Amino acid sequence: GESVGLHLPTLSVQEGDNSIINCAYSNSASDYFIWYKQESGKGPQFIIDIRSNMDKRQGQRVTVLLNKTVKHLSLQIAATQPGDSAVYFCAENIGDRGSQGNLIFGKGTKLSVKP
Amino acid sequence: ETGVTQSPTHLIKTRGQQVTLRCSSQSGHNTVSWYQQALGQGPQFIFQYYREEENGRGNFPPRFSGLQFPNYSSELNVNALELDDSALYLCASSASGRGRADSPLHFGNGTRLTVT
Repeated sequence: GESVGLHLPTLSVQEGDNSIINCAYSNSASDYFIWYKQESGKGPQFIIDIRSNMDKRQGQRVTVLLNKTVKHLSLQIAATQPGDSAVYFCAENIGDRGSQGNLIFGKGTKLSVKP
Repeated sequence: ETGVTQSPTHLIKTRGQQVTLRCSSQSGHNTVSWYQQALGQGPQFIFQYYREEENGRGNFPPRFSGLQFPNYSSELNVNALELDDSALYLCASSASGRGRADSPLHFGNGTRLTVT
Protein backbone atom coordinates (compact mmCIF):
# COMPACT_ATOMS: atom_id res chain seq x y z
CA GLY A 1 0.00 0.00 0.00
CA GLU A 2 0.98 3.61 0.13
CA SER A 3 3.40 4.41 2.86
CA VAL A 4 6.42 6.49 3.60
CA GLY A 5 8.80 5.16 6.19
CA LEU A 6 12.21 5.81 7.58
CA HIS A 7 14.96 3.28 8.13
CA LEU A 8 16.24 4.80 11.38
CA PRO A 9 14.14 6.53 14.02
CA THR A 10 17.15 8.25 15.64
CA LEU A 11 20.51 9.44 14.36
CA SER A 12 23.33 10.87 16.43
CA VAL A 13 26.25 12.60 14.72
CA GLN A 14 29.27 14.63 15.74
CA GLU A 15 29.27 18.32 14.94
CA GLY A 16 31.03 18.88 11.64
CA ASP A 17 30.31 15.41 10.30
CA ASN A 18 27.96 14.73 7.42
CA SER A 19 24.50 13.31 8.16
CA ILE A 20 22.46 11.00 5.98
CA ILE A 21 18.79 10.43 6.68
CA ASN A 22 17.03 7.74 4.70
CA CYS A 23 13.45 7.23 3.65
CA ALA A 24 11.61 4.47 1.79
CA TYR A 25 8.40 4.92 -0.12
CA SER A 26 6.15 2.28 -1.55
CA ASN A 27 4.01 4.02 -4.16
CA SER A 28 5.62 4.13 -7.58
CA ALA A 29 3.05 6.73 -8.66
CA SER A 30 4.51 9.33 -6.28
CA ASP A 31 5.94 12.15 -8.35
CA TYR A 32 7.06 14.73 -5.83
CA PHE A 33 9.02 14.42 -2.60
CA ILE A 34 9.82 16.87 0.14
CA TRP A 35 12.02 16.93 3.22
CA TYR A 36 10.87 18.86 6.25
CA LYS A 37 12.65 19.74 9.48
CA GLN A 38 10.61 20.09 12.66
CA GLU A 39 12.03 21.62 15.80
CA SER A 40 10.37 21.21 19.16
CA GLY A 41 7.25 23.35 19.46
CA LYS A 42 7.29 24.40 15.83
CA GLY A 43 5.67 23.37 12.59
CA PRO A 44 7.54 21.51 9.85
CA GLN A 45 9.96 23.73 7.97
CA PHE A 46 10.58 23.13 4.27
CA ILE A 47 14.15 22.05 3.49
CA ILE A 48 14.29 20.80 -0.07
CA ASP A 49 12.12 19.07 -2.64
CA ILE A 50 12.64 16.92 -5.70
CA ARG A 51 10.46 15.81 -8.57
CA SER A 52 10.40 12.27 -9.86
CA ASN A 53 12.11 13.26 -13.12
CA MET A 54 15.28 14.09 -11.17
CA ASP A 55 17.62 11.91 -9.13
CA LYS A 56 19.57 14.58 -7.28
CA ARG A 57 19.04 18.11 -6.12
CA GLN A 58 21.30 20.31 -4.05
CA GLY A 59 20.61 23.17 -1.72
CA GLN A 60 22.63 25.03 0.83
CA ARG A 61 24.47 22.27 2.77
CA VAL A 62 21.75 19.78 1.85
CA THR A 63 21.39 17.28 -0.96
CA VAL A 64 18.42 15.07 -1.72
CA LEU A 65 18.89 11.86 -3.67
CA LEU A 66 16.05 9.94 -5.26
CA ASN A 67 16.40 6.34 -6.39
CA LYS A 68 13.19 5.37 -8.10
CA THR A 69 14.41 1.86 -8.85
CA VAL A 70 14.41 0.93 -5.17
CA LYS A 71 11.96 3.64 -4.07
CA HIS A 72 14.43 5.30 -1.78
CA LEU A 73 14.96 8.91 -0.80
CA SER A 74 17.79 10.33 1.25
CA LEU A 75 18.74 13.67 2.75
CA GLN A 76 22.39 14.51 3.15
CA ILE A 77 23.42 17.34 5.44
CA ALA A 78 27.00 18.53 5.08
CA ALA A 79 29.01 19.76 8.06
CA THR A 80 26.19 19.14 10.51
CA GLN A 81 25.70 21.87 13.09
CA PRO A 82 23.96 21.88 16.50
CA GLY A 83 21.17 23.92 14.93
CA ASP A 84 20.41 20.98 12.66
CA SER A 85 19.16 18.98 15.65
CA ALA A 86 15.49 18.29 14.96
CA VAL A 87 13.10 15.66 13.64
CA TYR A 88 13.28 15.22 9.88
CA PHE A 89 10.34 14.02 7.84
CA CYS A 90 10.18 12.91 4.27
CA ALA A 91 6.87 13.32 2.51
CA GLU A 92 5.53 12.17 -0.83
CA ASN A 93 2.77 13.44 -3.06
CA ILE A 94 0.89 11.33 -5.52
CA GLY A 95 0.16 13.78 -8.27
CA ASP A 96 -2.66 11.90 -9.87
CA ARG A 97 -4.81 12.54 -6.82
CA GLY A 98 -5.11 16.07 -8.06
CA SER A 99 -4.44 17.47 -4.62
CA GLN A 100 -0.88 18.52 -4.06
CA GLY A 101 -1.67 19.35 -0.47
CA ASN A 102 -2.17 15.69 0.34
CA LEU A 103 1.29 14.78 1.46
CA ILE A 104 1.98 11.42 3.03
CA PHE A 105 4.53 11.82 5.80
CA GLY A 106 6.85 9.29 7.32
CA LYS A 107 7.20 8.93 11.07
CA GLY A 108 10.35 11.01 11.22
CA THR A 109 14.00 10.64 12.17
CA LYS A 110 15.35 12.48 15.17
CA LEU A 111 18.77 13.95 14.47
CA SER A 112 20.95 14.77 17.46
CA VAL A 113 24.18 16.67 16.93
CA LYS A 114 26.88 16.23 19.55
CA PRO A 115 29.22 19.20 20.10
CA GLU B 1 6.67 38.27 3.68
CA THR B 2 4.29 37.09 6.38
CA GLY B 3 4.33 33.37 7.10
CA VAL B 4 1.49 31.06 8.05
CA THR B 5 -0.03 32.04 11.38
CA GLN B 6 -2.36 29.96 13.52
CA SER B 7 -4.51 30.72 16.54
CA PRO B 8 -4.80 29.88 19.30
CA THR B 9 -1.44 28.27 20.08
CA HIS B 10 -2.86 26.08 22.83
CA LEU B 11 -6.38 24.99 23.68
CA ILE B 12 -7.98 22.71 26.24
CA LYS B 13 -11.45 21.34 25.61
CA THR B 14 -13.72 18.76 27.17
CA ARG B 15 -14.90 15.63 25.38
CA GLY B 16 -18.10 16.33 23.43
CA GLN B 17 -17.36 20.01 22.92
CA GLN B 18 -16.73 21.77 19.62
CA VAL B 19 -13.61 23.69 18.63
CA THR B 20 -12.64 26.15 15.88
CA LEU B 21 -9.01 26.65 14.89
CA ARG B 22 -7.90 29.49 12.66
CA CYS B 23 -5.20 29.97 10.07
CA SER B 24 -3.92 32.86 8.00
CA SER B 25 -2.09 31.73 4.93
CA GLN B 26 1.26 33.04 3.77
CA SER B 27 1.07 36.15 1.63
CA GLY B 28 0.43 35.22 -2.01
CA HIS B 29 -0.76 31.69 -1.21
CA ASN B 30 -4.23 30.61 -2.31
CA THR B 31 -4.35 27.01 -1.09
CA VAL B 32 -4.66 25.88 2.52
CA SER B 33 -4.25 22.38 3.92
CA TRP B 34 -4.86 21.09 7.43
CA TYR B 35 -2.94 18.29 9.10
CA GLN B 36 -3.22 16.46 12.40
CA GLN B 37 0.00 15.45 14.14
CA ALA B 38 -0.21 13.05 17.05
CA LEU B 39 2.68 12.99 19.49
CA GLY B 40 5.69 11.21 17.99
CA GLN B 41 4.07 10.79 14.58
CA GLY B 42 4.21 12.47 11.22
CA PRO B 43 1.43 14.85 10.18
CA GLN B 44 -1.70 13.30 8.65
CA PHE B 45 -3.69 15.05 5.95
CA ILE B 46 -7.18 16.17 6.98
CA PHE B 47 -8.28 18.24 3.98
CA GLN B 48 -7.34 21.03 1.63
CA TYR B 49 -9.16 24.15 0.44
CA TYR B 50 -8.63 25.95 -2.86
CA ARG B 51 -10.77 28.91 -3.95
CA GLU B 52 -13.05 28.38 -0.96
CA GLU B 53 -13.89 24.79 -1.91
CA GLU B 54 -12.70 21.53 -0.41
CA ASN B 55 -10.11 20.04 -2.76
CA GLY B 56 -9.25 16.68 -1.31
CA ARG B 57 -9.87 15.00 2.03
CA GLY B 58 -8.00 12.45 4.10
CA ASN B 59 -9.38 9.67 6.24
CA PHE B 60 -11.14 11.83 8.81
CA PRO B 61 -14.83 11.68 9.83
CA PRO B 62 -17.38 14.35 8.83
CA ARG B 63 -17.18 15.96 12.28
CA PHE B 64 -13.96 17.49 10.95
CA SER B 65 -15.00 20.33 8.68
CA GLY B 66 -13.45 23.47 7.30
CA LEU B 67 -13.87 26.77 5.59
CA GLN B 68 -11.75 29.00 3.42
CA PHE B 69 -12.51 32.70 3.15
CA PRO B 70 -12.02 35.10 0.21
CA ASN B 71 -8.78 36.35 1.76
CA TYR B 72 -7.55 32.70 1.75
CA SER B 73 -7.60 32.37 5.52
CA SER B 74 -9.16 29.20 6.84
CA GLU B 75 -10.87 27.54 9.77
CA LEU B 76 -10.88 23.97 10.98
CA ASN B 77 -13.93 22.93 12.99
CA VAL B 78 -14.16 19.75 15.01
CA ASN B 79 -17.46 18.71 16.55
CA ALA B 80 -18.13 16.19 19.30
CA LEU B 81 -14.53 16.14 20.45
CA GLU B 82 -13.02 12.81 21.45
CA LEU B 83 -9.98 12.14 23.60
CA ASP B 84 -8.08 10.88 20.53
CA ASP B 85 -8.50 14.29 18.90
CA SER B 86 -5.76 15.55 21.21
CA ALA B 87 -2.95 16.51 18.83
CA LEU B 88 -1.08 19.31 17.15
CA TYR B 89 -3.16 20.75 14.32
CA LEU B 90 -1.08 22.21 11.54
CA CYS B 91 -2.16 24.55 8.81
CA ALA B 92 -0.10 24.82 5.63
CA SER B 93 -0.42 27.05 2.61
CA SER B 94 0.94 26.96 -0.90
CA ALA B 95 0.77 29.05 -4.03
CA SER B 96 -0.29 26.33 -6.40
CA GLY B 97 -3.78 25.58 -7.54
CA ARG B 98 -5.70 22.48 -8.36
CA GLY B 99 -3.73 19.68 -9.93
CA ARG B 100 -0.20 20.96 -9.39
CA ALA B 101 2.04 18.76 -7.35
CA ASP B 102 5.29 20.71 -7.23
CA SER B 103 4.72 23.58 -4.86
CA PRO B 104 5.91 22.93 -1.33
CA LEU B 105 3.62 23.52 1.60
CA HIS B 106 4.66 26.08 4.18
CA PHE B 107 3.45 25.23 7.66
CA GLY B 108 2.44 27.30 10.63
CA ASN B 109 3.52 26.37 14.16
CA GLY B 110 0.22 24.71 14.90
CA THR B 111 -2.44 24.67 17.59
CA ARG B 112 -1.91 22.21 20.41
CA LEU B 113 -5.37 20.81 21.27
CA THR B 114 -5.87 18.83 24.46
CA VAL B 115 -9.18 17.06 24.99
CA THR B 116 -9.93 15.97 28.55
